Amino acid sequence: SQQGEEDPQALSIQEGENATMNCSYKTSINNLQWYRQNSGRGLVHLILIRSNEREKHSGRLRVTLDTSKKSSSLLITASRAADTASYFCATLSYSSASKIIFGSGTRLSIRP
Amino acid sequence: GAGVSQSPSNKVTEKGKDVELRCDPISGHTALYWYRQSLGQGLEFLIYFQGNSAPDKSGLPSDRFSAERTGGSVSTLTIQRTQQEDSAVYLCASSLSLVPLHFGNGTRLTVT
Repeated sequence: SQQGEEDPQALSIQEGENATMNCSYKTSINNLQWYRQNSGRGLVHLILIRSNEREKHSGRLRVTLDTSKKSSSLLITASRAADTASYFCATLSYSSASKIIFGSGTRLSIRP
Repeated sequence: GAGVSQSPSNKVTEKGKDVELRCDPISGHTALYWYRQSLGQGLEFLIYFQGNSAPDKSGLPSDRFSAERTGGSVSTLTIQRTQQEDSAVYLCASSLSLVPLHFGNGTRLTVT
């Protein structure tokens, strides 16, 4: 079964706008990661946030984590056409040892 | 250095045949994961290897699925008596210390 659920399932925005994706999970976690997948390719790691962190930045990416609500958000600022991809959250859970479980993903389309 | 390599990239097989999918992880990476991704869906955990420890097989969907990792490096995922519902992209990932995961580009399996 999947640990995380992303919201929305699909998002289409204009180039230059900000994109926000949300992830909810079910069990206590050690950390949460975000990955990007371009069509027909494997996933690429973007950013990791630990359970004792609330916010993290990397370039145009901003990730927040609310462990009380078991949710995380990924914000991509000033979107570009190259940001078109699917985005997945993944969790490493205390209860599942080293099993990393992925959510269902958000498909992001950037309109030129 | 080289990334995670998966072969073949595409495999078409007839229902009832056995298939073997290969994963060459990044050299030195002790952790290796197999995931399955159906069209437009998230990643379904299949199996996890960590060093010389017994693998976590809890995600294998049936006893037709098996995997091995020889010499702590190359891994082979075998599907016996393939069914049409086995059609999916099979992704392999490796890591040095649990996270982040480094993914191959996957093997697209089509069962006719």
